Amino acid sequence: NAGVMQNPRHLVRRRGQEARLRCSPMKGHSHVYWYRQLPEEGLKFMVYLQKENIIDESGMPKERFSAEFPKEGPSILRIQQVVRGDSAAYFCASSSGQHSNQPQHFGDGTRLSIL
Amino acid sequence: QQQVKQSPQSLIVQKGGISIINCAYENTAFDYFPWYQQFPGKGPALLIAIRPDVSEKKEGRFTISFNKSAKQFSLHIMDSQPGDSATYFCAARTGGFKTIFGAGTRLFVKA
Repeated sequence: NAGVMQNPRHLVRRRGQEARLRCSPMKGHSHVYWYRQLPEEGLKFMVYLQKENIIDESGMPKERFSAEFPKEGPSILRIQQVVRGDSAAYFCASSSGQHSNQPQHFGDGTRLSIL
Repeated sequence: QQQVKQSPQSLIVQKGGISIINCAYENTAFDYFPWYQQFPGKGPALLIAIRPDVSEKKEGRFTISFNKSAKQFSLHIMDSQPGDSATYFCAARTGGFKTIFGAGTRLFVKA
């Protein structure tokens, strides 16, 4: 009865490198959400995906960031040419639907550090 | 208008006391108000949630009070315990999925 699984838990990259963060939703969940959390702040919505579709990416920077949720495999948040300001905790959540009786369940996050 | 304002930023409570965290919002389109508890190094865990057509919801030691006219809601933790020490986030959801989080309250319960 695994929950939302994120890996890696910690990721260190040098400026200009690429970061790939993976998220496997809970079993039976087809809705995935990515959030970013800066130190001492709340979570900020980035993107909402269903299988093979981006539903809303209004919180994701237009450049360098992309997300996908393929038919098979985990959801991927990709950050190209990372900069120091990308250092944060990135959380993935999943749900079985959008209704309030279908809450979002969070993984334990990926802590991204940029050297 | 999309903000959720949370206070206090930090809170120290004696064991057995009542912890109270307050949140306020502007957007009347919000239709679901969850509270999350987060321990260091972990993701947020859903604690309790309420819809705006209900004024109060209680689950164990945790109670949400909701004031629709004032656009405010609060979390009360009764008989606070050291194990409750964590960061608490209020949140509001609209459009079925977009969840707006407050900035968080760091609660420390003294033994």
